[in-house]
Amino acid sequence: QVQLVQSGAEVKKPGASVKVSCTASGYTFTTYYIHWVRQAPGQGLEWMGIINPSGDSTNYAQKFQGRVTMTRDTSTGTVYMELSSLRSEDTAVYFCATGGTEVITAFDYWGQGTLVTVSS
Amino acid sequence: QSVLTQPPSVSGAPGQRVTISCTGSSSNIGAVYDVHWYQQLPGTAPKLLIYGNTNRPSGVPDRFSGSKSGTSASLAITGLQAEDEADYYCQSYDSNLSGWVFGGGTKLTVL
Repeated sequence: QVQLVQSGAEVKKPGASVKVSCTASGYTFTTYYIHWVRQAPGQGLEWMGIINPSGDSTNYAQKFQGRVTMTRDTSTGTVYMELSSLRSEDTAVYFCATGGTEVITAFDYWGQGTLVTVSS
Repeated sequence: QSVLTQPPSVSGAPGQRVTISCTGSSSNIGAVYDVHWYQQLPGTAPKLLIYGNTNRPSGVPDRFSGSKSGTSASLAITGLQAEDEADYYCQSYDSNLSGWVFGGGTKLTVL
């Protein structure tokens, strides 16, 4: 079955960067698009971007352009999301999710989430 | 503000029916893009509840149903149960933003 397993919680200082991983299993890694979605404490869901693990192409939400980088390692079946110039407002749980082989579709599978805390 | 608008909260007694609305615009729900619904229990990842406006994934009870009309969509839950108490989010694609958008979420309380 499809599984997305994320890395553990992180604590970062303002201005630093964080890199969260999402390791996929249960399907051919390069065939499913991966999204990143975040959720600040007590807030709703916010889409950050998408990566095509096959060709490494990406599409980022305008809000995060210039600060977010999504990459993949096909040898380990892992997708990474790096967010730079962190500020307190970036404190959130970050989820990876996939809707499979289609770009515009529902997100069937989600990782467990990674809490990133930004604090001085 | 979220691109898709949901009521912050709804409530109902066990056994009752509740609906959650999701209002968008001509660049998302009102366009060709489907609406999807997610259920999120406290401290867990969202779970897909309804996809493609009206379809239930395997394992989702038929007490949950979705609909779409014009620039709005709705999630209906019949025969409310205590375990339905959760946050619910709608989602669609937005052509103006070239990305996915979510509603602000609705907290369902079972009285």
